[in-house]
Amino acid sequence: GDSVTQMEGPVTLSEEAFLTINCTYTATGYPSLFWYVQYPGEGLQLLLKATKADDKGSNKGFEATYRKETTSFHLEKGSVQVSDSAVYFCALSANSGNTPLVFGKGTRLSVIA
Amino acid sequence: DARVTQTPRHKVTEMGQEVTMRCQPILGHNTVFWYRQTMMQGLELLAYFRNRAPLDDSGMPKDRFSAEMPDATLATLKIQPSEPRDSAVYFCGTSRENSPLHFGNGTRLTVT
Repeated sequence: GDSVTQMEGPVTLSEEAFLTINCTYTATGYPSLFWYVQYPGEGLQLLLKATKADDKGSNKGFEATYRKETTSFHLEKGSVQVSDSAVYFCALSANSGNTPLVFGKGTRLSVIA
Repeated sequence: DARVTQTPRHKVTEMGQEVTMRCQPILGHNTVFWYRQTMMQGLELLAYFRNRAPLDDSGMPKDRFSAEMPDATLATLKIQPSEPRDSAVYFCGTSRENSPLHFGNGTRLTVT
């Protein structure tokens, strides 16, 4: 079945450092790919998405590019802030919406001042 | 911003008791998902509905869990009887065609 693998955390960075969280997937067909973020005590919020190969999703300084050839969707940010501290989940679904998401295990990011 | 509303936010109960968790979908969203989050297993899909009809509940322990949508504005997840291993955060998410999934803030369940 479909699956998502993302790098284990926790990841600890200093403020203004560059962030990469790796995500690779296994799926039949052409899934849509997502990054969700979870702040303490809250639900998951959609951070960005890409629905086809070579699409780049971006939001709040975060970016990820749908790479079909490497089945990857790595999350990047050029300069992290303390407020970015959260758990980040990579996920896929069979289409752009309305079907179940398959999640990775999550990567906890801590940014220190 | 439209939100998915889940109640209660926290629930502590004793083993053997019935637990009911509720979810109010975003207006216009016709698909409702129930996920469970634990440290060990991460996020697991329990069940989902479209237009109030169950499409998949293969992730739920059938003997004790049940999920329903009495109407388009309410989804429920019940556990009877509850067990300590059910302790987790339960998330409801809703969506519609060509729309990503939006989650509520979850119900944190502790069964002692």
